[in-house]
This record gives sequence, C-alpha cells and structure tokens, in this order.
Amino acid sequence: GDSVTQMEGPVTLSEEACLTINCTYTATGYPSLFWYVQYPGEGLQLLLKATKADDKGSNKGFEATYRKETTSFHLEKGSVQVSDSAVYFCALMTGSARQLTFGSGTQLTVLP
Amino acid sequence: GAGVSQSPSNKVTEKGKDVELRCDPISGHTALYWYRQSLGQGLEFLIYFQGNSAPDKSGLPSDRFSAERTGGSVSTLTIQRTQQEDSAVYLCASSSQGLAGDEQFFGPGTRLTVL
Repeated sequence: GDSVTQMEGPVTLSEEACLTINCTYTATGYPSLFWYVQYPGEGLQLLLKATKADDKGSNKGFEATYRKETTSFHLEKGSVQVSDSAVYFCALMTGSARQLTFGSGTQLTVLP
Repeated sequence: GAGVSQSPSNKVTEKGKDVELRCDPISGHTALYWYRQSLGQGLEFLIYFQGNSAPDKSGLPSDRFSAERTGGSVSTLTIQRTQQEDSAVYLCASSSQGLAGDEQFFGPGTRLTVL
C-alpha cells in the first residue's frame, strides 16, 4: 500500500538557519504530493503541493521538488524564522484513492 | 469565508458510551473526509464521502465506527461502545471536488477522551 516516511523529529534550529526535512514515499501510480503544517493550537493547513514529477511547490519561503527517480519530496527553507515553529507533515494522494496518506510528522522548533 | 467547523471541540466520555462528532464542511465542497490523529498512530484516514456516491469506508478501524453525510453537507461520525484506544483528535476535511491534487481544508478537530 501507499506509505510516506519522513524525518524523525524533533528538529531544533536557530533563527536564520537552513532547514531540510526529508520525505520519501511508496505509492502505486503517480501520486500528488503535499506538505501540511500544524502551528501550535491551530488546525492542519496546506503549505505547498506538487502534482507531477519535477514540479516544485513553494510557499512562505518553503520549497519542495517532486523527484520521481528518488521518490522524494524534501521540504527546504533557506532561512527559518521563529514563526516557522510547527509540526510538518508530508502526505500523498493517488488517483485511485482520494484520501491523504500522511507521514508521522516532524516537530520543528526555531529558537531566537 | 467560513472554514470547516467541528463540534464539540472537546468530548470526554466513559468507556462503553456512544459519541457523535459533527462536521460542517466548506459550503459547496462535494468531498468530505474524516481522519484521526493519535500519538501512537499518527494521522489515519477513516472515511471519505464524494457527492452522492457510496462512501469509502476502508479506513474505519472497526464496526463500532460509522458515519453519515446528510444532504451532501453536514457529516456525523458515530463511535459506539467507546474504548480507551479511541481517544484521539478526530479531524474533518473537505475539498471542492475530491480530485487527487485538490487541497483538503481541515477543521480544528474534536479531541475525544475516553476514560
């Protein structure tokens, strides 16, 4: 079945540091890939997505590129801020199954 | 506009009792999903409704769980004879058409505690 493996947390960084959260997937067919974020006390919200190979999703300074050859969708940001502290979830959806399959989540804490 | 709303926000119940959780999706969204978020299991899909089609119940963990969606809008998730392992945050999401690349908009969740 479909599955998503993402980097274990927690991750603690200083403000302005570079961030990479690794995400790899296993899926039948060609999934759409997503990063969702859950800020403290808030609900899940979409951060970015990519629907086909080599697409790059970007939002709020975050980027992720859909790599079919490595089945990966790593999340990157060049300079993190305290306000980026949250839990980040990598997820996929295939055409045959409409539900999202999530990774385990990565807790990010950014210190001033 | 209004987002996905869920009620109650918190529910504490005793083992063996039945509970009902409610979800109001974004107006006009044809697809509605229920997920469960728990410490041990992460985020798990439960059930999916798309328009008037039969729901995809493949994620429901046992026959104690059921859900319905009335009039293509509001949905209710019912858990019968609750067990302690049912304690989790139950999330509802909706999307405009339920297509593979569509964004799912999540509600704030209902935190269920079974004593």
